[in-house]
Amino acid sequence: SAVISQKPSRDICQRGTSLTIQCQVDSQVTMMFWYRQQPGQSLTLIATANQGSEATYESGFVIDKFPISRPNLTFSTLTVSNMSPEDSSIYLCSAVGTGDWEQFFGPGTRLTVL
Amino acid sequence: AQSVAQPEDQVNVAEGNPLTVKCTYSVSGNPYLFWYVQYPNRGLQFLLKYITGDNLVKGSYGFEAEFNKSQTSFHLKKPSALVSDSALYFCAVRDIWGYGQNFVFGPGTRLSVLP
Repeated sequence: SAVISQKPSRDICQRGTSLTIQCQVDSQVTMMFWYRQQPGQSLTLIATANQGSEATYESGFVIDKFPISRPNLTFSTLTVSNMSPEDSSIYLCSAVGTGDWEQFFGPGTRLTVL
Repeated sequence: AQSVAQPEDQVNVAEGNPLTVKCTYSVSGNPYLFWYVQYPNRGLQFLLKYITGDNLVKGSYGFEAEFNKSQTSFHLKKPSALVSDSALYFCAVRDIWGYGQNFVFGPGTRLSVLP
């Protein structure tokens, strides 16, 4: 199984600014994902982070708003750009390890936009 | 398209009693099925999975789940609930023939175990 860490664990940001969330996995993984979750609600997939190429975004999410990088097999970043209060949420990173079928999740980043 | 339903938003059970959290799914091929638990202010933790083989799978913290192909269900069970089991539970499905972003999560069921 993969152990995933995220930084920061939480942040309070001003409207119009951007925040970059980092996700680090302790082993090489085949797939990495970014999700958004309102507290107590289900997960919404933002995008699949592809190593060395552009991320694959789900409907309703665009690269200009949520640029994603994945420079290698163990690290990814998600930037929330030009934030508004509607972006307040929990952002979760997940990964599927080599030989695994299940996803493993990071602890999440709780974002509040004022 | 894949889909997952968890028909109960909330399940309440007394400590020591058996618990069941229901999940039904829809996929075009053979499913991979998963259960995750989320404690307050935490990420999702993997509990168990069904890939192939025995229909009854055992996982972490004494949980088990039964795969029923004819009913397209994968209900989570535990013989004796603990107060510490109170959390949000998610069922998920992955189509065996899919690739990439082919995990689908259910809406979640909040389990409350009452002392």
